[in-house]
Amino acid sequence: QVQLQESGPGLVKPSQTLSLMCTVSGGSISSGDYYWSWIRQPPGKGLEWIGHIDYNGGTSYNPSLKSRLTISVDTSNNHFSLNLNSVTAADMAVYFCARDSLTRDAFDIWGQGTVVTVSS
Amino acid sequence: DIQMTQSPSSLSASVGDRVTITCRASQSINRNLNWYQQKPGKAPKLLIFAAFSLQSGAPSRFSGSGYGTDFTLTISSLQPEDFATYYCQQSYSTPRTFGQGTKLDMK
Repeated sequence: QVQLQESGPGLVKPSQTLSLMCTVSGGSISSGDYYWSWIRQPPGKGLEWIGHIDYNGGTSYNPSLKSRLTISVDTSNNHFSLNLNSVTAADMAVYFCARDSLTRDAFDIWGQGTVVTVSS
Repeated sequence: DIQMTQSPSSLSASVGDRVTITCRASQSINRNLNWYQQKPGKAPKLLIFAAFSLQSGAPSRFSGSGYGTDFTLTISSLQPEDFATYYCQQSYSTPRTFGQGTKLDMK
């Protein structure tokens, strides 16, 4: 079955760029039936949708992050990535990647999440 | 952005209880409403999509209802593994938004 796995540095310095990758296994990222999404959860808080990308590279971003955010897709290697620049302590969170099923219109498969700390 | 408001924010209940959590959207979202369960240190799991459709693998004691702005998640008979935090999420428009969560703990 399809699985998602986040990877990337767990520690980022303030003002630098957070870069994470989500590797999709057990299925192709090139299916037109899904958006590939990033969602985050600050410590002890709720869930915030960051944005998504389709296999063609079409994106939608949360306006609150849009000016600092880039999501990209690599269909050859079956992964998608997040870059968030100029990070601050407010960007500290568990970052999840998730599959947004267009048939269910819901996040039906999630990665386990990766903790990102912002500190010098 | 569409605001999603859940109530209550926390709830204490016992095994065997019938539990209801509500979610209200700031504007009509038709039936574009999903429910997730999250346990500590884990990713959320999809329980209900499109307001009332049970996700494959989710126990049948979970059910959803509602349309427009008001929605409900019901657990018919609480089991020990159901103590968790529950989130609603709208898929009507972007940015996708979540409710603040309802923490369900043992009485």
